[in-house]
Amino acid sequence: SQKIEQNSEALNIQEGKTATLTCNYTNYSPAYLQWYRQDPGRGPVFLLLIRENEKEKRKERLKVTFDTTLKQSLFHITASQPADSATYLCAIPTSGTYKYIFGTGTRLKVLA
Amino acid sequence: KAGVTQTPRYLIKTRGQQVTLSCSPISGHRSVSWYQQTPGQGLQFLFEYFSETQRNKGNFPGRFSGRQFSNSRSEMNVSTLELGDSALYLCASSFGIGYGYTFGSGTRLTVV
Repeated sequence: SQKIEQNSEALNIQEGKTATLTCNYTNYSPAYLQWYRQDPGRGPVFLLLIRENEKEKRKERLKVTFDTTLKQSLFHITASQPADSATYLCAIPTSGTYKYIFGTGTRLKVLA
Repeated sequence: KAGVTQTPRYLIKTRGQQVTLSCSPISGHRSVSWYQQTPGQGLQFLFEYFSETQRNKGNFPGRFSGRQFSNSRSEMNVSTLELGDSALYLCASSFGIGYGYTFGSGTRLTVV
């Protein structure tokens, strides 16, 4: 069955640096992949969706890449700020369904 | 526009009781999904509804059920509550496949 792996260890970086988070999946390559941000006690917030035919997508300080050969997506936050501290989740649809698998998320802490 | 509204925000129930959670999606979103989130398992898919029909179901026991009304509002029910059902239950609505979810703030269920 399809699985997603995200680095479960927290990532601490200095303000102003670029944070890079990894999402690896097994088995088939999904038609698209999504990234979400979640703050404690709140529901996830949708950030970006990247389709299999897109290598890279940007939104303000966010950049996502999708490598179907490596079965990996990278999520970058440039010029990181303390307000970017949160847990970031990736999600993919299971094949042929409207059911999504979420990674367990990577907790990012941006130090001032 | 209004976001996804989940009620109640917090709930404490006793083992063996049943509970009903409610979700009002964003206007125009006909797909409503439910997820269970626990620290150990992360986000686990429960079910997805579209136009009052359950299109997909996750790997949860039959004690977990749901429905969607003609106005797209959805409810989920958990009968014969167990301690392990304690979790954050998240509702998410979407415009359709290939679009991101908008999540509600969740219902924090504690079973004692």
